[in-house]
Amino acid sequence: AAGVIQSPRHLIKEKRETATLKCYPIPRHDTVYWYQQGPGQDPQFLISFYEKMQSDKGSIPDRFSAQQFSDYHSELNMSSLELGDSALYFCASSRRTGGQPQHFGDGTRLSIL
Amino acid sequence: GENVEQHPSTLSVQEGDSAVIKCTYSDSASNYFPWYKQELGKRPQLIIDIRSNVGEKKDQRIAVTLNKTAKHFSLHITETQPEDSAVYFCAAEYFGNEKLTFGTGTRLTIIP
Repeated sequence: AAGVIQSPRHLIKEKRETATLKCYPIPRHDTVYWYQQGPGQDPQFLISFYEKMQSDKGSIPDRFSAQQFSDYHSELNMSSLELGDSALYFCASSRRTGGQPQHFGDGTRLSIL
Repeated sequence: GENVEQHPSTLSVQEGDSAVIKCTYSDSASNYFPWYKQELGKRPQLIIDIRSNVGEKKDQRIAVTLNKTAKHFSLHITETQPEDSAVYFCAAEYFGNEKLTFGTGTRLTIIP
């Protein structure tokens, strides 16, 4: 079965640079979620989109923005990167109208030097 | 907002024994409770979930129980195997709100 696809898998940036993470949800899933997971921590919700509209917002810094496109893929844009942004970034998708659970992608490991 | 507490943070059990992980949640509006298994550096993988209209759900060696009155739910793994070693996260969600609030995780180690 198709899964959530995230790219890139690994990304190395320097402080103050920008980064863009991409997420392709499972086909026919209408909702995308972004989570940030620091080392040894639980995933923290950042933001979600339902039918291309922002549906909920969590602890996402103002330096970050995201959107969902007409083909349902989503991008997380991160600017003025800081050392503390180093983490695993997971995208999850679900079929909200069907009450389906969230399934996670393999994540993007972002390292800030 | 929702707050989920998870215990214990680490758990070691002998292969073949049972493991139990417990979680409590704060928001009585939460109505969906999934459990995820995460191996080091990999994605959280859904292993079982339960909705608030059900008290117990079982899938082979894994079972989850829910006590809505006490606002706690538990994961039970029987006949543990070495491949069960991982970090397990409970989570809570209000369908309609939809963001998952995770517990802090339990590192389960199965001793051969």
